[in-house]
Amino acid sequence: EVQLVESGGGLVQPGGSLRLSCAASGFTLTSTTMHWVRQAPGRGLEYVSAISSFGGGTYSVDSVKGRFSISRDISTNMLYLQMGSLRSEDTAVYYCARGPCNSDNCYLSDWGQGTLVTVSS
Amino acid sequence: DIHMTQSPSSLSASVGDRVTITCRASQGISSYLAWYQQKPGKIPKLLIYAASTLQSGVPSRFSGSGSGTDFSLTISSLQPEDVATYYCQHYSGPPRTFGQGTMVEIK
Repeated sequence: EVQLVESGGGLVQPGGSLRLSCAASGFTLTSTTMHWVRQAPGRGLEYVSAISSFGGGTYSVDSVKGRFSISRDISTNMLYLQMGSLRSEDTAVYYCARGPCNSDNCYLSDWGQGTLVTVSS
Repeated sequence: DIHMTQSPSSLSASVGDRVTITCRASQGISSYLAWYQQKPGKIPKLLIYAASTLQSGVPSRFSGSGSGTDFSLTISSLQPEDVATYYCQHYSGPPRTFGQGTMVEIK
C-alpha cells in the first residue's frame, strides 16, 4: 500500500528556513516522479516542485525558484523540500504527491495528509 | 506556462441534478488533463485522468470529456456526498498547473 507522510511544518519568521520531509512507503522514489503541491488557507491548489524518477532532475515554479529546493534520499526513501527566504505568501499546507507518468506527463493519484507551514512574525 | 481556467467558480444544484464544470487550457494539452475532488478539510482525491478515464473506485456518475483546450467534468446525478471543490489540472509537462477550483454545493 502506498503511503506518503509529510512532516516538518510549523511556524517560521519571514526570511527564515524550513525543511519539509515526506516519508514514502509501498514504492521506491526511483520508480516515479515526486511532487510538492501547496494550498494556502482558503485557497486553491498550487503546483510547487517536482523531482523525476530517473536522474533526479528537478523543477520548481517561478514563485519559489531560487528559494526552495526539492531533493530525495533514495537510501531512506525520503523526499524533501528545503525552503528558504520564506515569505508570508508561502503560508500553506504542503502536500507531497505521486502518480503514474508517461514520459514527463504525470498526474497525481496518491497524496499525503499535508503539513502546515505558517510564515509570520 | 499553461494557464487553466475553470467555470463556474461555484455552483449550487439540487440532489439528482446533472452538473457540468468546464476547464479551458491556454494552449493545447492533448488529453493530459486530470480532475480532483477535495471535500472540506480533506486531501485532494483523483477522480479522472487522461481527460475521460475514471480512477478505480470512483462512482460512475462522474465522467470527463474533451481534448486539446476544452474539457468538462459531469456529475450525472448530484449526491449530497459530492459537496466539494473540484480542480482540473493539466499534466502536459511542468508546471502541472491547476485550475482555480469550482465549489459545488447542494441547493
